[in-house]
Amino acid sequence: AQRVTQPEKLLSVFKGAPVELKCNYSYSGSPELFWYVQYSRQRLQLLLKHISRESIKGFTADLNKGETSFHLKKPFAQEEDSAMYYCALASIYNQGGKLIFGQGTELSVKP
Amino acid sequence: KAGVTQTPRYLIKTRGQQVTLSCSPISGHRSVSWYQQTPGQGLQFLFEYFSETQRNKGNFPGRFSGRQFSNSRSEMNVSTLELGDSALYLCASSSSGLVGETQYFGPGTRLLVL
Repeated sequence: AQRVTQPEKLLSVFKGAPVELKCNYSYSGSPELFWYVQYSRQRLQLLLKHISRESIKGFTADLNKGETSFHLKKPFAQEEDSAMYYCALASIYNQGGKLIFGQGTELSVKP
Repeated sequence: KAGVTQTPRYLIKTRGQQVTLSCSPISGHRSVSWYQQTPGQGLQFLFEYFSETQRNKGNFPGRFSGRQFSNSRSEMNVSTLELGDSALYLCASSSSGLVGETQYFGPGTRLLVL
């Protein structure tokens, strides 16, 4: 079964500290992976996706097929990074727009 | 470009009633997906429509249905509401719903079933 696991419900760090939000997936194939973010009182929006291999707002994520992980990292957290982060998977075997989401990790960056 | 819009934003219904939610995608987008978000289950895929055809469906009972119109606007309907249907319902649009495409989410409709 396809599944996305985010083991931490809440991650609290101080401003300037490195941050890593964990995401593990189970999927027998080559998935497309995404990180979506929801800031307070805003809608869910894409942060980055594996296929683009780009860094957004200082965040990067590397797909590790051996460990089936797609952890989100940022070397120096900022207060404005405080938000809810969701890891999501799309499968080539699911025609049409289906994203499988993890339960989400709330990131709190303290001053 | 205007973003994805959803109406109504809030709804209160009682058990046994039915409800219809509406979603207008970004102009030019032909794929619309629906998700249910609850504290316990998180974000779960309901179904996806493209060119008025349902292409994919999640594991929800038949009480949950949807449709898409020729202008790509989509509606979802829940019949015989149950307390457990209380949730935030999100729709998302993308150009064609291909794997790897970014999905753009609406603000959601919050449904409370009493």
